[in-house]
Amino acid sequence: GQNIDQPTEMTATEGAIVQINCTYQTSGFNGLFWYQQHAGEAPTFLSYNVLDGLEEKGRFSSFLSRSKGYSYLLLKELQMKDSASYLCAGFYNTDKLIFGTGTRLQVFP
Amino acid sequence: EPEVTQTPSHQVTQMGQEVILRCVPISNHLYFYWYRQILGQKVEFLVSFYNNEISEKSEIFDDQFSVERPDGSNFTLKIRSTKLEDSAMYFCASSDGTETYGYTFGSGTRLTVV
Repeated sequence: GQNIDQPTEMTATEGAIVQINCTYQTSGFNGLFWYQQHAGEAPTFLSYNVLDGLEEKGRFSSFLSRSKGYSYLLLKELQMKDSASYLCAGFYNTDKLIFGTGTRLQVFP
Repeated sequence: EPEVTQTPSHQVTQMGQEVILRCVPISNHLYFYWYRQILGQKVEFLVSFYNNEISEKSEIFDDQFSVERPDGSNFTLKIRSTKLEDSAMYFCASSDGTETYGYTFGSGTRLTVV
């Protein structure tokens, strides 16, 4: 199967920068999604990377290396409201998403 | 902003009963999906639906599950005889087929089987 691996938990301080890593299997890979999920709520779309490199969207950026099967989500100027789970999901040859376990990020004052 | 609507938000049912979870996808989307998330676990794919038929289903989606698009707007997931282990958050999602914007997920139905 297509495994998506990411750390289970991370902590950071308000105003800081945090990088959440994700590794995935490259066979049949098309692209990589990042979603934010608050407890008890639906995942909300953050980014989609198909090509290698960094894509920046405000405080959030996402990076992809197709050859290494690696992605990261970079969150800058952290705010308390950024405390959530961040889900890495691979889009493979079929039209389904394969999700990682999610990384629960806690932001402290 | 267009959204995927799911009802009910919370459903409690007795083991062995049938449940129907309802979803209204975004109106111009053509691809529809159900995912589930057991508490504390990852989001898992159940089924995808396109052109009025299932395009793919996972091992979880056994004979107890079915999907239907009974009219032009609703997309339903039926569980024929619920089991305790079916307790989870069920998310409906829809897509216009372009990968760029990903799926739009509904707010979910929390199913509790007692």
